[in-house]
Amino acid sequence: DSGVTQTPKHLITATGQRVTLRCSPRSGDLSVYWYQQSLDQGLQFLIQYYNGEERAKGNILERFSAQQFPDLHSELNLSSLELGDSALYFCASSVEGDINYGYTFGSGTRLTVV
Amino acid sequence: GENVEQHPSTLSVQEGDSAVIKCTYSDSASNYFPWYKQELGKGPQLIIDIRSNVGEKKDQRIAVTLNKTAKHFSLHITETQPEDSAVYFCAAPNQAGTALIFGKGTTLSVSS
Repeated sequence: DSGVTQTPKHLITATGQRVTLRCSPRSGDLSVYWYQQSLDQGLQFLIQYYNGEERAKGNILERFSAQQFPDLHSELNLSSLELGDSALYFCASSVEGDINYGYTFGSGTRLTVV
Repeated sequence: GENVEQHPSTLSVQEGDSAVIKCTYSDSASNYFPWYKQELGKGPQLIIDIRSNVGEKKDQRIAVTLNKTAKHFSLHITETQPEDSAVYFCAAPNQAGTALIFGKGTTLSVSS
């Protein structure tokens, strides 16, 4: 157990729908990062939050959004889902948002859009 | 960071052999280079990292070397074991230094 908790583990939904993925960072970590992992694109950085504030954006689609709450858990919202959104979504956390000490990843949420 | 190329994409070795995975990066300002191991059904796990002020770092059977001039770094696994079978990812900071950019991964298979 890495200490980073992601729920749900699996999610199957239909095209056009909206889903919410949840992440609780490791105790004491203030920063949360979201990544999408697909077979052809590898691990793609989506967005980072630090202590409730958005800090960096990567290749995140406009249909996707995220937030970090006062208790530091984070949610990734995916809307108007398309077949191509099927992927593993990982959350990672770090202590101070300093990437020079690496991340701790959760076990991921596997999203299947049918 | 910003662009991280990783080779090979697949690597098959016999138990006891060594395995080497190589990565190149494009941003000469990058100063932190981690390696992650991802087992089936799990998230990536940090196994070793190196900073730009050293050229090599070892931890038991794994080592990482860094050549800043050539902008490449490598993961070396000696005396491979079946439990080393996994997908390995290299990474480097993006230009803004706000996130890690990952290589496409290397699937290592160790046969006994």
